[in-house]
Amino acid sequence: QKEVEQDPGPLSVPEGAIVSLNCTYSNSAFQYFMWYRQYSRKGPELLMYTYSSGNKEDGRFTAQVDKSSKYISLFIRDSQPSDSATYLCAMSPNQGGKLIFGQGTELSVKP
Amino acid sequence: GAVVSQHPSWVICKSGTSVKIECRSLDFQATTMFWYRQFPKQSLMLMATSNEGSKATYEQGVEKDKFLINHASLTLSTLTVTSAHPEDSSFYICSARALDRDGEKLFFGSGTQLSVL
Repeated sequence: QKEVEQDPGPLSVPEGAIVSLNCTYSNSAFQYFMWYRQYSRKGPELLMYTYSSGNKEDGRFTAQVDKSSKYISLFIRDSQPSDSATYLCAMSPNQGGKLIFGQGTELSVKP
Repeated sequence: GAVVSQHPSWVICKSGTSVKIECRSLDFQATTMFWYRQFPKQSLMLMATSNEGSKATYEQGVEKDKFLINHASLTLSTLTVTSAHPEDSSFYICSARALDRDGEKLFFGSGTQLSVL
């Protein structure tokens, strides 16, 4: 079993839809949770960063962490074609430490 | 966020030659940088941790003599793929830790696509 599981998709949605991306994990020591967006042939870009359980909102993006269920989510509201990318979840037991990545979910938002 | 610059963005080389990839932290000092490798449709695989002024720490299964890492200054780490072969063709990405308002985070370079003929 992988430490971090993420559905690779691909996921295709119409413009304006709400997108839900998820990861599950097995290591209860993970405390720091991140979502990265990666465009084709580019490095990952940090989107959301959360510590422990709870919600965090930034514009159209909301990150949720449920440590009791070992489950994290990223919601994208009013999705745009420019949101089309691969979204990677990542987590670490300590701040700035070695990140464990999910496989990435490929998202396509159709105009 | 912090800016990490990676160069070149793509390189094509002949089998048996060596290729050097540079990773620079532009607006902060990075005592630690990380090198990843990514195959198409797959996630990032950590290859090694680069520490300024000391030897790099390699992940299990990564050949130290093939992937030479040098972190000679607080803003520059280099990865040299020695005697490259077609199976080394991949997307290589570096990252560095930086402090921002939420704490210490990892920022990535733009990646280098290596194609070995």
